[in-house]
Amino acid sequence: DVKVTQSSRYLVKRTGEKVFLECVQDMDHENMFWYRQDPGLGLRLIYFSYDVKMKEKGDIPEGYSVSREKKERFSLILESASTNQTSMYLCASSTGTGGVGEKLFFGSGTQLSVL
Amino acid sequence: QKEVEQDPGPLSVPEGAIVSLNCTYSNSAFQYFMWYRQYSRKGPELLMYTYSSGNKEDGRFTAQVDKSSKYISLFIRDSQPSDSATYLCAMIPYGQNFVFGPGTRLSVLP
Repeated sequence: DVKVTQSSRYLVKRTGEKVFLECVQDMDHENMFWYRQDPGLGLRLIYFSYDVKMKEKGDIPEGYSVSREKKERFSLILESASTNQTSMYLCASSTGTGGVGEKLFFGSGTQLSVL
Repeated sequence: QKEVEQDPGPLSVPEGAIVSLNCTYSNSAFQYFMWYRQYSRKGPELLMYTYSSGNKEDGRFTAQVDKSSKYISLFIRDSQPSDSATYLCAMIPYGQNFVFGPGTRLSVLP
C-alpha cells in the first residue's frame, strides 16, 4: 500500500513562529503536493513539486515556502505563522504519469492551530 | 462558476438506503475522475477511479461518469454507518493538477 506520512497530527504554534511540516512518501512517486483544507472552502493547493529541488506555486502560496531535497520528502514551511494559517494541512503524492493511472494519495493530515 | 460543483449536503440516510452523491463540472478537458472518502480528522482516501463514460462497480460502490453531460455520480448500496464520512469528487485533465469538489458530508443512521 502507498504510504504518505506526515510527521505531526496536531501542532500548536504561536504567531510569528517559523513552522515546519514534514511529509514522506514510500512509493517513489514523482509528484508531491501540499494542500490546506478549511470548512466551506474545500481543498486548496499551496505548492507542488514534480522533481527533487523543483517547486511550483499552487493557488494560495502566499506565506508559505517548500523544500524538496530528496525525492521522498516534501516540507512545507510557514515563514512567520499567522492566525489565518490555522487549518488542516494535507500532503499528497502521485504517480506523475499525467494520464491514465494518475492517482493522488494523501497523508493523514496535520491540524495546525496558530495562537 | 466553480470548475467543479458538488451537492453541498449534509446528507442523512437510514442504514440500508441507497445513496447518490453527485458532481458536475464545466471543463470538458477533464479526463480522469475519482471519488475520495474522508473520515473526520483524517486524510482523504481514494475510493474509486475511472476514466471512461459509463459505470464502474466495486462492491457496494458504483461510480458513474457521463462526459457528454459533464456529470459524475457515486452510488452506495446498502449503506452502513461506517460509510459516514465526507465524499470528495476529484478530476484531472491530462498533464495538469487535480481539481476537487467541496465535498458532501454523509451520515448513515443505524
